[in-house]
Amino acid sequence: AQTVTQSQPEMSVQEAETVTLSCTYDTSESDYYLFWYKQPPSRQMILVIRQEAYKQQNATENRFSVNFQKAAKSFSLKISDSQLGDAAMYFCAYRSGTSGTYKYIFGTGTRLKVLA
Amino acid sequence: NAGVTQTPKFRILKIGQSMTLQCTQDMNHNYMYWYRQDPGMGLKLIYYSVGAGITDKGEVPNGYNVSRSTTEDFPLRLELAAPSQTSVYFCASSPAFAGTRKETQYFGPGTRLLVL
Repeated sequence: AQTVTQSQPEMSVQEAETVTLSCTYDTSESDYYLFWYKQPPSRQMILVIRQEAYKQQNATENRFSVNFQKAAKSFSLKISDSQLGDAAMYFCAYRSGTSGTYKYIFGTGTRLKVLA
Repeated sequence: NAGVTQTPKFRILKIGQSMTLQCTQDMNHNYMYWYRQDPGMGLKLIYYSVGAGITDKGEVPNGYNVSRSTTEDFPLRLELAAPSQTSVYFCASSPAFAGTRKETQYFGPGTRLLVL
């Protein structure tokens, strides 16, 4: 079975600085997708960034980028120029690419605090 | 589009009571999901559906039932509520064609349930 591990329960970053959130996963599959979701105090889950395992190029969305290391099964999220609005819980998630598989597996989350 | 809507936002149940959590999406997505999020934890899949009339169990289905009579609606039924079902419940939907760049899950705002 696949697992997703986020080993940092909480992280802090100064406003305008850069922070990296870690995520590792375990799978025997070669085709899968990885996601980072943001959950602010409103509890709404918001997609931050997505990575297809078959793509070697790291995904980037504005100030958010990932470092995807497939061999090491690592998928870290880098937030540049941190803003107060980035404060939230961040969840890493895995989805199998196998046809007919629709389940997502989430990590336990990392709480990010942004210090003014 | 309203996206994914959930009702109620908050509910207190007594042990042994039953209730239905409502979920509706207006994006014509075939795939819908129910998750629970316990305090300080990630999301765990309860049930999912790949289309009207088709449902399947997730990681933690015991104590719950679902139905999917239409594409839009995916209600979650709690029978004989127990304190262990105190949690925040999220409904989500995703487009039919998995694996494309736009494939992701869209979440509702959540329902907070307290069983006393």
